[in-house]
Order: sequence, then C-alpha cells, then structure tokens
Amino acid sequence: DIVMTQSPDSLAVSLGERATINCKSSQSVLYSSNNKNYLAWYQQKPGQPPKLLIYWASTRQSGVPDRFSGSGSGTDFTLTISSLQAEDVAVYYCHQYYSTPSFGQGTKLEIK
Amino acid sequence: EVQLVQSGAEVKKPGESLKISCKGSGYSFTSYWIGWVRQMPGKGLEWMGIIYPGDSDTRYSPSFQGQVTISADKSISTAYLQWSSLKASDTAMYYCARQPLTGDQSFDYWGQGTLVTVSS
Repeated sequence: DIVMTQSPDSLAVSLGERATINCKSSQSVLYSSNNKNYLAWYQQKPGQPPKLLIYWASTRQSGVPDRFSGSGSGTDFTLTISSLQAEDVAVYYCHQYYSTPSFGQGTKLEIK
Repeated sequence: EVQLVQSGAEVKKPGESLKISCKGSGYSFTSYWIGWVRQMPGKGLEWMGIIYPGDSDTRYSPSFQGQVTISADKSISTAYLQWSSLKASDTAMYYCARQPLTGDQSFDYWGQGTLVTVSS
C-alpha cells in the first residue's frame, strides 16, 4: 500500500501571504506510460464534503481560483496558495490513485 | 447540474444492519465509478471502495473488505453502502463521490455525506 504523508499537520499564514503544503508518497505515483502523476488535492471546509482542487498533480479543476497551484513529481508534491484569502481556511488533503487509493492525513490551514 | 444526494443521518445500535444510499443526477450514471470515503469524527479521509454501476464491478480497500458491501442499481442511478452488523467504531461520516472511468481518477463531485452513529 502507498502511504501518503503530509507536512506540516497544521499551518498558520497571514492574509495575502503564501501557504505551502507538502505531500510525500511512500512510492512513486508517476505512471511512466503517460507521464502523469496520479495525485490530487482536496479542500475540506468545516461541515462540508471535500472539494477537488488539483488533479494530475498540477491541473487545476474548473472553477478553482488560480492562486491554487500544484507541483511535484514521483514521490514529492506541493500545494501552494499564492496569496491566502480568509475563505481558504480549511483542511487540505492529498490523494494518490496510482494503486489502491489513499489519502494523506490532512493539513489544517489557519489565519495567523 | 451534477449532483450526488445521499440518504439522511442514521442512529443505530451495535449489531444492527444498515444500508445508506447515494443518488446521482445530472450526468450519465454509468459513465463514472462511484466511490465511498469514511471520515471518523475529527479525523481524515479513508478510501473504502468503488463500484462501476454499469456492471457492478466492485473494488474494496483491504481495510474494508468483508466489513461493508458496496452495490448499485443503475436503473435508479443509486449506489449503496451497507453493513450487516454495525459496531460502535463504524460511527463516522460517509461520503460518496464520482470518479471518471478512465484517465484522471480523482473524485470530482461529492455527496453531502451521511452521518452514521452507532451507540447502545
């Protein structure tokens, strides 16, 4: 099984500043035949279901603001929020779908 | 508009059975997988399993194999998650979510969640 480990567990960032969340997989999630990383990022606000932000590690879902971006390949990935807004307070999860799917433990993002 | 509408909250006793549902609308139900995700109180997301409603091909996480049953009725665009004998540790929010058949296999639409409480 692929284990997904996010860091940090929690993060406090000032409004307008950059927020960076990391996700590391225990084995590569890069599928060589199509050169795609089978990795997604979700945002979950309190009392709501998760919302897809990024898939293929770096492709923004339709309607997601462009301050959200994903990067990385193989085993190391990053979700970046370029300029934190109040509505971005949430828990963020990475998700690999290369093999039996699994999620990271989540990173709680708050305003400093 | 794509929607996944889940059945309402349930309160059950240990040992009881339960079946919760997830009804899709606004898209071709047999053009996507439906997955189930558990979220225990205050905890993270856990992938439970997935079903293709077209032929009921089902895959389970090893952690949930034998503990739950996933099924679907394509005639009414509904997927199900069921337990034969609930335990207190099954207390959680359960989400259904849609996954494309091919290519990207992230969950692009989610249901609102069904809260299951198991208590004596």
